[in-house]
Amino acid sequence: AQSVAQPEDQVNVAEGNPLTVKCTYSVSGNPYLFWYVQYPNRGLQFLLKYITGDNLVKGSYGFEAEFNKSQTSFHLKKPSALVSDSALYFCAVRDVPYNNNDMRFGAGTRLTVKP
Amino acid sequence: GAGVSQTPSNKVTEKGKYVELRCDPISGHTALYWYRQSLGQGPEFLIYFQGTGAADDSGLPNDRFFAVRPEGSVSTLKIQRTERGDSAVYLCASSKGASDSYEQYFGPGTRLTVT
Repeated sequence: AQSVAQPEDQVNVAEGNPLTVKCTYSVSGNPYLFWYVQYPNRGLQFLLKYITGDNLVKGSYGFEAEFNKSQTSFHLKKPSALVSDSALYFCAVRDVPYNNNDMRFGAGTRLTVKP
Repeated sequence: GAGVSQTPSNKVTEKGKYVELRCDPISGHTALYWYRQSLGQGPEFLIYFQGTGAADDSGLPNDRFFAVRPEGSVSTLKIQRTERGDSAVYLCASSKGASDSYEQYFGPGTRLTVT
């Protein structure tokens, strides 16, 4: 079965600095990878996804992520963090074609951007 | 346009009671998912509908949990004989279709508390 690990419960960065939120995965087939963000009292919002093609994926709000097959990673990045980026971030994976419907989420990483 | 909506936003019930949680997906989305999110965890897959049928219910924890989507739009998650361990946020998501490359759009969730 597929699994996702987000090794950091918490990431703190200063506004204007680059940020990285880490994600590694394990699948039997091909990974379809997703990042979601959760703001307080709101539903998860889709940020970006990797399905196939270019390993560097660009998404909403200036975020990007790089798929690294050899390291089985899909780290989320942003060149310059904003205070408004503070939220809970979830990485998710689908194991295609073995387990298409069950999207597995990591436990989440809380990002805090300080002014 | 309108996003995924869920009602009620909060539900408090006594142990042993029956509860129904409702999800109204984005119009035109044929795929619908239910997840459960416990504190400090990522969402956990429960069940997936494609149209009216439950295409994958492998995530339902036991036979106290059941979900329906009779007309291929609104879905109801039903929990019988609730237990304190059922307390969690129940999330609903919808996507354009059956393809596993589609991202999911989440509702704000229903917070269920079993006393």
